[in-house]
Parts: sequence; structure tokens; C-alpha cells
Amino acid sequence: QKEVEQNSGPLSVPEGAIASLNCTYSDRGSQSFFWYRQYSGKSPELIMSIYSNGDKEDGRFTAQLNKASQYVSLLIRDSQPSDSATYLCAVNRRDDKIIFGKGTRLHILP
Amino acid sequence: ETGVTQTPRHLVMGMTNKKSLKCEQHLGHNAMYWYKQSAKKPLELMFVYSLEERVENNSVPSRFSPECPNSSHLFLHLHTLQPEDSALYLCASSQGRDRATYEQYFGPGTRLTVT
Repeated sequence: QKEVEQNSGPLSVPEGAIASLNCTYSDRGSQSFFWYRQYSGKSPELIMSIYSNGDKEDGRFTAQLNKASQYVSLLIRDSQPSDSATYLCAVNRRDDKIIFGKGTRLHILP
Repeated sequence: ETGVTQTPRHLVMGMTNKKSLKCEQHLGHNAMYWYKQSAKKPLELMFVYSLEERVENNSVPSRFSPECPNSSHLFLHLHTLQPEDSALYLCASSQGRDRATYEQYFGPGTRLTVT
């Protein structure tokens, strides 16, 4: 099993709909979880961090964490074409190493 | 300058050359990182510095040599690289090494091509 696993996509979502991005991780002792957005040819940009079970909302973005099931997700409401990018999930393992997933390419259809 | 800056943005070097990548952060952070991003691979953490001390070296070949003279500057010295080292090299910083402050801010990257 990969340490941090994401569906590579592309995930195509109509404009205005909810985009749902998922990430699973293998280290049950992981404590911190992050979502980054990376536009083509650009560097990753932090969107959300989440540390405890449940939901965390910031504007159109909601991060969801379920440690028992070892998954973290990112919901993007009212998707816009500008949301088209690759979304990277990052997990801080119990040994303090940060591991990134390969990312999911999201395409918002106008 | 704001955020995290990196120079040069693009670099083409031969296998026998020696070059250096520079990173500077203007965020008052205490930790700095070097990452390698290759096509179709996840981001690979190379080195971590916390308060100018190297705290992590993820089995990186010795042809990559980091240097952190102070908490705002980070260098990656390159020598006798291989074509497979061609990639985007990203610098990042975070406020501290505590898990609660692991939010990292990335520079624009240096696109390195080894010929």
C-alpha cells in the first residue's frame, strides 16, 4: 500500500457543482494533514490543514478527516474554472516525516 | 520581496558543471526544506533545516549538498549531476518544526535540466 494514495484523475466536475477529492494514508499514527493546490507550471499552494477528526471549513473549501478509516478529503463547493489544478494531499507521519501523494488532477467544466 | 523566492528559475547544466540554487524566505520562519518534483512522481523531500541545523536528509546522493547559513537563506549546491536529476526543485519554509506549525509555503521552484 502506498503511504499516501490519491486517485490521479482527471476528475471532471461541472462548474457550480461540488468537487470531492479523496486521500488515504497508511500510517495510523499520522497527526497532521494538508491539502495543496498546484497549477500547471507553478509551485504548490497551501489550501487547508486539518489535525482532528471531523470537518473544517474555509470559504468554499471543506476538509474532512476520519482517522479511524485513515482518509482525508477535500470538498470544493460551487466549483469554478479557476479551481482546475492538481490537488496534493500531504500527511505528517508519526515519525515527523511529511509524505505527499501524487495528486489528483481536477478539471472544472465551464 | 515577499514569501519564498528562488533563483534561478531555470537552469541548464552539463553533467560536469557545478551550480547552486538559492532560496530566501521573507516570512520569519524557522524551518526550510528542499523538495524534488519529477514528472508522475510525488514530491520528494530532500533536506530539512530547522534553525540552520540539518534535521533531515532523506538518502539524497552526495552530488546534492545543502547549505543553510541562516534561517532566511537556503542553498542547494549541485555537482556532477545525472540526467535523471532533471526536475523541478522546490524550496519551502514553515514557521517551526512542531507538527502544529507544519504548514509549508513554497517558492516558485527552479526548473533544472541536466544535459
